[in-house]
Amino acid sequence: NAGVTQTPKFQVLKTGQSMTLQCAQDMNHNSMYWYRQDPGMGLRLIYYSASEGTTDKGEVPNGYNVSRLNKREFSLRLESAAPSQTSVYFCASSDVGNQPQHFGDGTRLSIL
Amino acid sequence: GENVEQHPSTLSVQEGDSAVIKCTYSDSASNYFPWYKQELGKRPQLIIDIRSNVGEKKDQRIAVTLNKTAKHFSLHITETQPEDSAVYFCAASKGAAGNKLTFGGGTRVLVKP
Repeated sequence: NAGVTQTPKFQVLKTGQSMTLQCAQDMNHNSMYWYRQDPGMGLRLIYYSASEGTTDKGEVPNGYNVSRLNKREFSLRLESAAPSQTSVYFCASSDVGNQPQHFGDGTRLSIL
Repeated sequence: GENVEQHPSTLSVQEGDSAVIKCTYSDSASNYFPWYKQELGKRPQLIIDIRSNVGEKKDQRIAVTLNKTAKHFSLHITETQPEDSAVYFCAASKGAAGNKLTFGGGTRVLVKP
């Protein structure tokens, strides 16, 4: 049982390049989330998907797009990467209601 | 929107002592309060959570208390051990569709042997 799987684990991009971060969960959860964590800081919500077919903005959505491909998969796209988007990106999933979120291992993204 | 403040930002304790981390939240509609532990380079992992219909919850050496009137909740770790050294995050949610969590800024706990 893998839980939440993120790919890739590491990536280096040049400014202006585009990239899609992939996330898949095998816990049959309805809700999925994308967070970013900057060094020494907490997690900030970028986008979330309450259920298959829906997506909504979180606290810091600018510069990102998301796709809920199916119940298992939720991808995050950077269309034109900027150095300010250098961060660790975590995907998470949960059941509906007040249920714990389970996190993937993260993608460490550096933009030069 | 919701705002969660967490204190202290760093905490150093002797092994065997207790550690207490406090969080305040702004939205009185919040009703779910999880705590996550994050070791260096790892993912956040849930250690305990509490819902607004409960004032206190305990799991071995970890306990969480909630004061809805004052809008604050706290994490208590007793008999600390070196493996408790990590960054701890509190969070709050209203439990609506999507269960969006708002995180505090984190507390770096160092347990000295």
